[in-house]
Amino acid sequence: RKEVEQDPGPFNVPEGATVAFNCTYSNSASQSFFWYRQDCRKEPKLLMSVYSSGNEDGRFTAQLNRASQYISLLIRDSKLSDSATYLCVVSLHAGGTSYGKLTFGQGTILTVHP
Amino acid sequence: ETGVTQTPRHLVMGMTNKKSLKCEQHLGHNAMYWYKQSAKKPLELMFVYSLEERVENNSVPSRFSPECPNSSHLFLHLHTLQPEDSALYLCASSQERSSYNEQFFGPGTRLTVL
Repeated sequence: RKEVEQDPGPFNVPEGATVAFNCTYSNSASQSFFWYRQDCRKEPKLLMSVYSSGNEDGRFTAQLNRASQYISLLIRDSKLSDSATYLCVVSLHAGGTSYGKLTFGQGTILTVHP
Repeated sequence: ETGVTQTPRHLVMGMTNKKSLKCEQHLGHNAMYWYKQSAKKPLELMFVYSLEERVENNSVPSRFSPECPNSSHLFLHLHTLQPEDSALYLCASSQERSSYNEQFFGPGTRLTVL
């Protein structure tokens, strides 16, 4: 089983649509959770952290279910500029270390068309 | 310069060449990372340096040799690579705290091994 699993897509949606991405992780000791965005031929950039109570940032809503080891990202009112690969990322501080080991999913490709 | 920079941005090398990738972070962070991103695969963590000490080597072949001379600079020395090592090599940095460790990525070096 992959440590972090995502539906690779691609998702093709029209502008204004609502789209949801799901992610599952295998290590129940994972401590921090993120969604990163990666544009074509660019580096990943943090989109938002995911908190246990769920959190929202404008059109983006992230949810975490620790019991099911499941993370989601909802994008409302999609824009053309939302087209990118969305990476689900989990972090584990192994053995009491101060640094976090990030494990990435393979990403979900989103294309928003006019 | 701000953020995380990497040089060169593109590199083509033969299997017998020796080259080095350079990463510099201007964020005052105390941890730096090398990742490999191959087509259609998740980002793979290669090495972690925390406080200039290598703390993680993710079963990387010895033909990849990292060096961290200070907290702002990270190198990846390459020698006798194989064509399957062709990939995007990403450097990242973070300021490690107990539970939150957003990583900031450089633009990457796209490496082609002939």
